[in-house]
Amino acid sequence: KAGVTQTPRYLIKTRGQQVTLSCSPISGHRSVSWYQQTPGQGLQFLFEYFSETQRNKGNFPGRFSGRQFSNSRSEMNVSTLELGDSALYLCASSVNFWRAENTEAFFGQGTRLTVV
Amino acid sequence: AQTVTQSQPEMSVQEAETVTLSCTYDTSESDYYLFWYKQPPSRQMILVIRQEAYKQQNATENRFSVNFQKAAKSFSLKISDSQLGDAAMYFCASPPGGSQGNLIFGKGTKLSVKP
Repeated sequence: KAGVTQTPRYLIKTRGQQVTLSCSPISGHRSVSWYQQTPGQGLQFLFEYFSETQRNKGNFPGRFSGRQFSNSRSEMNVSTLELGDSALYLCASSVNFWRAENTEAFFGQGTRLTVV
Repeated sequence: AQTVTQSQPEMSVQEAETVTLSCTYDTSESDYYLFWYKQPPSRQMILVIRQEAYKQQNATENRFSVNFQKAAKSFSLKISDSQLGDAAMYFCASPPGGSQGNLIFGKGTKLSVKP
């Protein structure tokens, strides 16, 4: 069974540009969550999508957005990139929307975004 | 805001020895789960072990076990018979509670294993 696939693995963008990251969950998984990982802030929750609907959102500015398609694949978009957006972006998939008692989240290997 | 604290930024253990990683958390929930994740250099987060808060028995997965002290809000991870492949960042995580799902992570502990 294929794991969670994130593309691209590495990305370099210039300040002010926008970027789109992709996450393909494990087959049969309907929930996709996104996290930002930086040395300073650690791992922070961005948002969760389930059945093409955003269920939860972390404390990030509106420049960060996402969507989920009918095949459960998810994309995350960051507009007007800032230097501080440089981070590892991880996505995690689970069978159902997040409820701790029935969820194990499987993570992808992440996309390393560098903003210059 | 709910927090998860890992007080040991780095730890080192000799191969085949035992090491304990500490984690404290803060939640107002009465029923919750706690997690330890491992992140090797490949960057992929891997679930190591999960503890259900309403269960008094500490969770165990092969060489990995937890010491869960609910009243103290402490959730430490013990790795027995440490192996070179255990070298990684270890993150403790808990849900924020209420209707806000997903995970809050600690800052992590970098574990080195010496041959």
